[in-house]
Amino acid sequence: EVQLLESGGGLVQPGGSLRLSCAASGFTFASFPMTWVRQAPGKGLEWLSAIGASGDTTPYADSVKGRFTTSRDNSKSTLYLQMNSLRAEDTAVYYCAKYSASGTAGRVYAHWGQGTLVTVSS
Amino acid sequence: EIVLTQSPGTLSLSPGERATLSCRASQSVTSSYLAWYQQKPGQAPRLLIYGASSRATGIPDRFSGSGSGTDFTLTISRLEPEDFAVYYCHQYGSSLQTFGQGTKLEIK
Repeated sequence: EVQLLESGGGLVQPGGSLRLSCAASGFTFASFPMTWVRQAPGKGLEWLSAIGASGDTTPYADSVKGRFTTSRDNSKSTLYLQMNSLRAEDTAVYYCAKYSASGTAGRVYAHWGQGTLVTVSS
Repeated sequence: EIVLTQSPGTLSLSPGERATLSCRASQSVTSSYLAWYQQKPGQAPRLLIYGASSRATGIPDRFSGSGSGTDFTLTISRLEPEDFAVYYCHQYGSSLQTFGQGTKLEIK
């Protein structure tokens, strides 16, 4: 069974940093691209970034470009999201999700984590 | 960036009725790389439809997707009580993927 477990969320001050982790199990992590999606309280879904199986990243959403970095450690089956220069508008539940397959057609997300809440506030 | 606009924002229907949700893209979606997700409060999204019209594993056949280019539709043929939720469309043909703002399907 595919399982994705996010961690690392919490309360951080504006301008601060946080690193989220997404621990994967139940599939060959090193074979699948992964993605991060967030959802502000009471708002819709916002796609943030994706990373290929070997660590190549796609362009980031404009809202986080230059501040957030996605990476992965295939030896640990873990995906990361490094978040710097955090702003109040970054307050959201952050989800990791697994691609269904490599390539463009595989960018559909049948498996998601439960999400981790990040609150940016002084 | 491809902007997806969903309509209506809220749809009020009764169980047994037919629901039609729309998703319009600001430019053509490559190869109909358009998906639909359902989300209930406190839960992660659930994949319903991919490739504009293919049902994901385990999705009942009352859910169907159609469309191409810039106009896409999710249809629920006969609403069940568990179908009342928020629905999002998602384009993944562009390297900058985007979601629509969502349609809330509520019980009338």
